[in-house]
Amino acid sequence: DGGITQSPKYLFRKEGQNVTLSCEQNLNHDAMYWYRQDPGQGLRLIYYSQIVNDFQKGDIAEGYSVSREKKESFPLTVTSAQKNPTAFYLCASSIDGGRTEAFFGQGTRLTVV
Amino acid sequence: GQQVMQIPQYQHVQEGEDFTTYCNSSTTLSNIQWYKQRPGGHPVFLIQLVKSGEVKKQKRLTFQFGEAKKNSSLHITATQTTDVGTYFCAGRSNDYKLSFGAGTTVTVRA
Repeated sequence: DGGITQSPKYLFRKEGQNVTLSCEQNLNHDAMYWYRQDPGQGLRLIYYSQIVNDFQKGDIAEGYSVSREKKESFPLTVTSAQKNPTAFYLCASSIDGGRTEAFFGQGTRLTVV
Repeated sequence: GQQVMQIPQYQHVQEGEDFTTYCNSSTTLSNIQWYKQRPGGHPVFLIQLVKSGEVKKQKRLTFQFGEAKKNSSLHITATQTTDVGTYFCAGRSNDYKLSFGAGTTVTVRA
């Protein structure tokens, strides 16, 4: 089945630890996105990538890092510099950078204790 | 930078009534997309509008793109319990950055 997969669904980490969230797609999409969702704040863009080895900061990139070494993979690292990392993280992809629909993964709920 | 704003944040609707949610951008958009997220789920694409003044319908849902391509609306008629969820608009300007509004969370009273 084609789709976009995020893992794990739930993730717990201790404060001060870096954590990497996985996002894989087999849709052959060029563009990939990471969003953070908090109650009442919608989807805020963290990073986005149009092609392999290229990515851009979104609106709330501080405390996060990404890589795009393969077309199908766009992992997000939440670093210890992120002051409030507990949130629901959504990865998305689209075939042509937002000109057509974006497909979302199931999301990862990160809790930092 | 580009900002997409959406109102209202919450919409409590009596079953059978109509309502509208509005989306406004600080910049001119290349297109506007609408998504629906059911409770506990992830956003799912509903529709895309590209042309100035464009109107599209999906059964009881009517989507409109403003003449200046800076605003959009979603109107739902005869609300049903299946309409529960959060509706997001998303806009793209000149690059491939896809920015979402804060969403309108809809609850329905039976």
